[in-house]
Amino acid sequence: KQEVTQIPAALSVPEGENLVLNCSFTDSAIYNLQWFRQDPGKGLTSLLLIQSSQREQTSGRLNASLDKSSGRSTLYIAASQPGDSATYLCAVMDSNYQLIWGAGTKLIIKP
Amino acid sequence: KAGVTQTPRYLIKTRGQQVTLSCSPISGHRSVSWYQQTPGQGLQFLFEYFSETQRNKGNFPGRFSGRQFSNSRSEMNVSTLELGDSALYLCASSLVPSGLEETQYFGPGTRLLVL
Repeated sequence: KQEVTQIPAALSVPEGENLVLNCSFTDSAIYNLQWFRQDPGKGLTSLLLIQSSQREQTSGRLNASLDKSSGRSTLYIAASQPGDSATYLCAVMDSNYQLIWGAGTKLIIKP
Repeated sequence: KAGVTQTPRYLIKTRGQQVTLSCSPISGHRSVSWYQQTPGQGLQFLFEYFSETQRNKGNFPGRFSGRQFSNSRSEMNVSTLELGDSALYLCASSLVPSGLEETQYFGPGTRLLVL
């Protein structure tokens, strides 16, 4: 059974710092891995989608990597801003075409 | 282009009642997926509909059901509500079956409280 773990559960850093969020999964048989952010009281916003054949994806200040063999992904946020404060969720699409979600990392960027 | 809309946004029900939630996908999107989010279990996949057919189903009891109409709008129904059904129910839409080639777009969710 696929399990997705995100570490740390919460993170607080000063504005301007670069940071890394971690995601690990137990079964390497995935179609893709996705990173989302969730703001309080709102739905989810897709950040990056990495297909299983890819190693990384970039969007602006965000860079996500995927190492399928080791079951790991990282989300790198450069030059963090207070507007980056949110909960970041990692999800993998498993062999049953279902998204399996991590519990999320709550990120606070202090001005 | 309007985003995914969900109605109602908030709902309070009592145990034993049933509830119907509605989701209107982004125009042109034919795939609609439903998720349940709770503090204890996190996000869990409920089911997915594509072109009015249930394409996939998560591990939830039969009290949870859904359907999709010809205009791609979707409803989910929960019968005989239990306290544990209190959750944020999220709907997501995509052009093609969920998340394989492109991401899904999420609505703001319906927050259901069962008393």
